[in-house]
Formats: sequence, structure tokens, C-alpha cells
Amino acid sequence: AQSVAQPEDQVNVAEGNPLTVKCTYSVSGNPYLFWYVQYPNRGLQFLLKYITGDNLVKGSYGFEAEFNKSQTSFHLKKPSALVSDSALYFCAVRGFNDYKLSFGAGTTVTVRA
Amino acid sequence: EPEVTQTPSHQVTQMGQEVILRCVPISNHLYFYWYRQILGQKVEFLVSFYNNEISEKSEIFDDQFSVERPDGSNFTLKIRSTKLEDSAMYFCASSERQGRSENSPLHFGNGTRLTVT
Repeated sequence: AQSVAQPEDQVNVAEGNPLTVKCTYSVSGNPYLFWYVQYPNRGLQFLLKYITGDNLVKGSYGFEAEFNKSQTSFHLKKPSALVSDSALYFCAVRGFNDYKLSFGAGTTVTVRA
Repeated sequence: EPEVTQTPSHQVTQMGQEVILRCVPISNHLYFYWYRQILGQKVEFLVSFYNNEISEKSEIFDDQFSVERPDGSNFTLKIRSTKLEDSAMYFCASSERQGRSENSPLHFGNGTRLTVT
């Protein structure tokens, strides 16, 4: 069975400070990992993915994520957060032979001006 | 940029009634999905659909649920006899391709909020 854990329900940072949203996963075999962002009353928007290759993945809006196989983690990062980054962030994993994507519970990010 | 569109944005129905949630996936996508998000809970997989058949479904997707691609553009989720616990946001998603060496991201619609009273 595959699963995702996002240990923090909320992350609060000041604008201009670095932002990190944590994610760990469990899956059989090699993982396909994703980050999505959800704004109020909207669907999930794709930010970035890790399939194979470089452990540091760059995505939309200046976000990046680092895949760490030994720690089974895929933390989302942004060097300098903006107020407009305030949203709900979901980490997701898919196994090599699966169709379904399993989501974490989500982390609410609040960036204060 | 092409989008997944869902209608209606909000559906209110009485317990026991049938509902059909509609989705128009991105036109060149081949894989289609339904997910749901009960208020305050995580996003849950319901079903995936490829080549006019279900490729995977979750335990949630019981006999009360069905999916259909009635024409070349629409993808529908039907709940035959709604229950109170079916109240949730239902998201449709599509992806271009999916396989052992490729994994296109899912593109989600804005969702249909289903309220069962």
C-alpha cells in the first residue's frame, strides 16, 4: 500500500523568508512523487514532480523539491516566500504499477506580509 | 492553457436521489480520474478510466458509483442513490499518458461540491 505523510498541518512564515513544507512517503518500488497546490474554491494545481534523475526538482512559481530516497522524503521548498503563496499544499505519491495517486492530508501555508 | 472543466460547481440533492457529475477533460488526454475531498479531510482516489474501461478503483467506489464516457469529450460520475456521507467536493482529473516509463501529471478541474440533505 502506498501512503503519504505531511507532518505539519500548518506552516507560517514571513514574506521573504524561506518556506519548507515536509512530506514523507511509503510505496513499493520506485516512487513517482508530486506536489499540488490548492487555492480556495479551486482544484488542485500541479507544481512539480519527481520521476527519475536529479534529486532536486524545480517547478512552477519558484518552488523546488528535494527527493531523498534514504529518508523517503520529498520536501517542498521556496527560497523566498510571497504572500500569494498562501494556500493548501498536497504531496502525492504513485507506485510504479499503480494508476491511483495517494495524497497527504495537506499543509496550510500562511505567508504574512 | 487547456483546462479540465466540471459542471455544476455546486449540486444539492436529497438522500436517495441519483446525481450525475460532469467533466470535460483536456482534449488530448487519455486517462481520466475521479477524486473526492470530504470537508476537512484528505483528497481520496475513487476511480481511474482508460480506453473506455475502469483501470483501477478504490474501496469507496462501490456499486452505487459508475463512470461513463458517453461521447468523445465528456466523462461522468454517477451516484445512483446518494447518502449523506457522499457530501464532498468531487474532482475530475485527466492526464496525457501514464505508464512504467512515463508519468504525466494529473490536471484537475475546480470540482463539484455535492451536498446531500
